[in-house]
Amino acid sequence: GENVEQHPSTLSVQEGDSAVIKCTYSDSASNYFPWYKQELGKRPQLIIDIRSNVGEKKDQRIAVTLNKTAKHFSLHITETQPEDSAVYFCAASSGYSTLTFGKGTMLLVSP
Amino acid sequence: NAGVTQTPKFRVLKTGQSMTLLCAQDMNHEYMYWYRQDPGMGLRLIHYSVGEGTTAKGEVPDGYNVSRLKKQNFLLGLESAAPSQTSVYFCASRTGRGYTFGSGTRLTVV
Repeated sequence: GENVEQHPSTLSVQEGDSAVIKCTYSDSASNYFPWYKQELGKRPQLIIDIRSNVGEKKDQRIAVTLNKTAKHFSLHITETQPEDSAVYFCAASSGYSTLTFGKGTMLLVSP
Repeated sequence: NAGVTQTPKFRVLKTGQSMTLLCAQDMNHEYMYWYRQDPGMGLRLIHYSVGEGTTAKGEVPDGYNVSRLKKQNFLLGLESAAPSQTSVYFCASRTGRGYTFGSGTRLTVV
């Protein structure tokens, strides 16, 4: 089955800096890669996703890149703000099968 | 339109007791899932369903059973709770873009 590795497990940045979270996946058939943000005590919420026919996608301050050859994808957050502090999860799936999640990255943005 | 609703939100069980967690969705989704979330372990799939009357095992199914008798409901059962089942349980249903999660059930087994 699919295996998703996520790094780093924790990331501390100053407000205004950029943050990058990286994930690798094992199943070359995976073609859908969402990212979720989970604030303390709340449910995970989808923030951005990318499909395998696209190399990069942006939505305001967040962007995701995908390298199918290397089987890795990354989340980029620019101009970080304290409200970006949360746990971020990457995930991967092929078609409509189940999502396999990484173990998460705790992002702390200090004012 | 409530999305995905989980009940209860909190529960404390004694070892050996049984309980059922209920997940309900009002979006007419075919696919539903149960995950557990433990510190440092991410979200791990327990069981899932691709439609009414169907269920399948995920990554960590032992000690759990599920049923999908109605399309809108997906039940997760613990027949004999163990301390290792202390966790936060999330139900989700599949949209065209990823999952919509419920608010979670925090279960403690003592």
